[in-house]
Amino acid sequence: GAVVSQHPSRVICKSGTSVKIECRSLDFQATTMFWYRQFPKQSLMLMATSNEGSKATYEQGVEKDKFLINHASLTLSTLTVTSAHPEDSSFYICSARSSRMIRDTQYFGPGTRLTVL
Amino acid sequence: AQTVTQSQPEMSVQEAETVTLSCTYDTSENNYYLFWYKQPPSRQMILVIRQEAYKQQNATENRFSVNFQKAAKSFSLKISDSQLGDTAMYFCAFMKHYSQGAQKLVFGQGTRLTINP
Repeated sequence: GAVVSQHPSRVICKSGTSVKIECRSLDFQATTMFWYRQFPKQSLMLMATSNEGSKATYEQGVEKDKFLINHASLTLSTLTVTSAHPEDSSFYICSARSSRMIRDTQYFGPGTRLTVL
Repeated sequence: AQTVTQSQPEMSVQEAETVTLSCTYDTSENNYYLFWYKQPPSRQMILVIRQEAYKQQNATENRFSVNFQKAAKSFSLKISDSQLGDTAMYFCAFMKHYSQGAQKLVFGQGTRLTINP
């Protein structure tokens, strides 16, 4: 149990285009999902927290208009990188948490590697 | 704000040896959780072990155990009988108690562990 998937696993796009990354909880309902960014050989940086049916809470320094987060259902959250630029190239990881399971534990997706040319 | 510090950027041991990874944290909270996550080359984040701060007993999961020293704000991970598959980046993480709502994980910088044959 507690499986989280992400799609796509890798994406390459041209500068100026938008990219959508999906995060799904496959066998549980995720009341809260988290989006992280990880640069090579560095730790995970939390970008935003999203609760189902409400607006995401962004961390300081993260542009909400650039990184659009939608958590429309209890099993799906999406991160859209709008007008992507090469500096947005990174590894993006989502995690999910259920209010019905062990509430203190986040389960992570396998990550999405974004390359912006 | 909470901070988590991992002072060992890299460690390397021989297969079957025991290795201890260090983690210290800073918080004014009394009720919280601590975690060790493993990130192998696949980059999938895997929960290794969790500890509730109110529990005095150290958590154990098979070959993995922690030494939780609440007063010293120290949370080290011991891996016994290390295996090649233990090679990974290990992150220590802190989270405030969920009773105050969905809480975010605060990660340390990570320790890259290599198990040599």
